[in-house]
Amino acid sequence: AQSVTQLDSQVPVFEEAPVELRCNYSSSVSVYLFWYVQYPNQGLQLLLKYLSGSTLVKGINGFEAEFNKSQTSFHLRKPSVHISDTAEYFCAVSDYNNDMRFGAGTRLTVKP
Amino acid sequence: EADIYQTPRYLVIGTGKKITLECSQTMGHDKMYWYQQDPGMELHLIHYSYGVNSTEKGDLSSESTVSRIRTEHFPLTLESARPSHTSQYLCASSEYLGGLATGELFFGEGSRLTVL
Repeated sequence: AQSVTQLDSQVPVFEEAPVELRCNYSSSVSVYLFWYVQYPNQGLQLLLKYLSGSTLVKGINGFEAEFNKSQTSFHLRKPSVHISDTAEYFCAVSDYNNDMRFGAGTRLTVKP
Repeated sequence: EADIYQTPRYLVIGTGKKITLECSQTMGHDKMYWYQQDPGMELHLIHYSYGVNSTEKGDLSSESTVSRIRTEHFPLTLESARPSHTSQYLCASSEYLGGLATGELFFGEGSRLTVL
């Protein structure tokens, strides 16, 4: 079975600073990896996903993530954050059957 | 933008009442899910369905039940609500074409249930 650990429950950062949200996973089979974002009072929406191919994945809103198989990590990065990036971010892992497991989330707060 | 809708968005109800949370999607997706979300916790899968007349229990034990009579509709029912059922419930769907998942879940905006 898969599992996900998001290493930081809260990440405060100033506007225009870079940010990295950390995610580690465990699985005995090949997996797909995802980052979802949840804005207040909304559902989750997909930021980016890794299915295969290039280990550097680019998503919406200037976010990117790198799949590192040896370190079983899938950290999310953005070089310069905006106030509007304030949200909850969830890392997730699934197998080919779409049995998806989510981390506990990281609350990103961007301060002016 | 995903076409998956949940009603009601917010519900405050007394103990012992029966409630149904509605979820509908217009994307023709086969697989649908219900997740329970509490603050600071991971999303827990409580029910899922592969298609019409298919329902399965998820990882988290839940007293709720679901049905899938139509592809687009996946309601969740609590026969007798209790304060421990207070939570946010998220419905999602995904494509599942001939056994191959496409990898993305589409979520509704959630139903926040408070049981007094």
